[in-house]
Amino acid sequence: DTEVTQTPKHLVMGMTNKKSLKCEQHMGHRAMYWYKQKAKKPPELMFVYSYEKLSINESVPSRFSPECPNSSLLNLHLHALQPEDSALYLCASSQYQGTGVSGTTKIYGYTFGSGTRLTVV
Amino acid sequence: AQKVTQAQTEISVVEKEDVTLDCVYETRDTTYYLFWYKQPPSGELVFLIRRNSFDEQNEISGRYSWNFQKSTSSFNFTITASQVVDSAVYFCALSHILTGGGNKLTFGTGTQLKVEL
Repeated sequence: DTEVTQTPKHLVMGMTNKKSLKCEQHMGHRAMYWYKQKAKKPPELMFVYSYEKLSINESVPSRFSPECPNSSLLNLHLHALQPEDSALYLCASSQYQGTGVSGTTKIYGYTFGSGTRLTVV
Repeated sequence: AQKVTQAQTEISVVEKEDVTLDCVYETRDTTYYLFWYKQPPSGELVFLIRRNSFDEQNEISGRYSWNFQKSTSSFNFTITASQVVDSAVYFCALSHILTGGGNKLTFGTGTQLKVEL
């Protein structure tokens, strides 16, 4: 299994709703990521989990709340979103070996899911 | 700071033409990885290639080839005999190792390739 699976594929939510995006991988990758991609723009990193611990939060507003229940699952909880949060949300996973010191880490894969297209109304 | 520049916003070619997509990067890291992804209209990011900074060998995979030149900080992508199915946005990306684990990818702005009959 070499896939990252994201659900749902499409989501329309109101500004007062609470919803969750789900991501699953069974490749044994130890790092998982959420990226946000606005129309005609490149993906931008939101969160990084490494060994199920939050490693990076790229100054994302608190209305986005990530969760990593286990090494295969990654969720993104959404609450009180704004219309400008409408975007494609991409989950990714990667496998790496080594420490965080430059020169000692090798990447063995960086796979993206097909994304959730979110519309906030 | 990491930076990836894809100066070509949009390229249009006729089927069977060869096309080269340019990618120039900036980094202070001594170890890094460069990636190319394809994003068709459906939205998924399709992995094409990963190259580490210590391996400057060019690579060919079918109609695709990549030219990595560390001296000019470039990682260009050539499609030989282009086909309509190659029409997509192509992103070049640069990795940065995170001290807490994992790697951040910084993407270029992408090149929209249109292949016409």
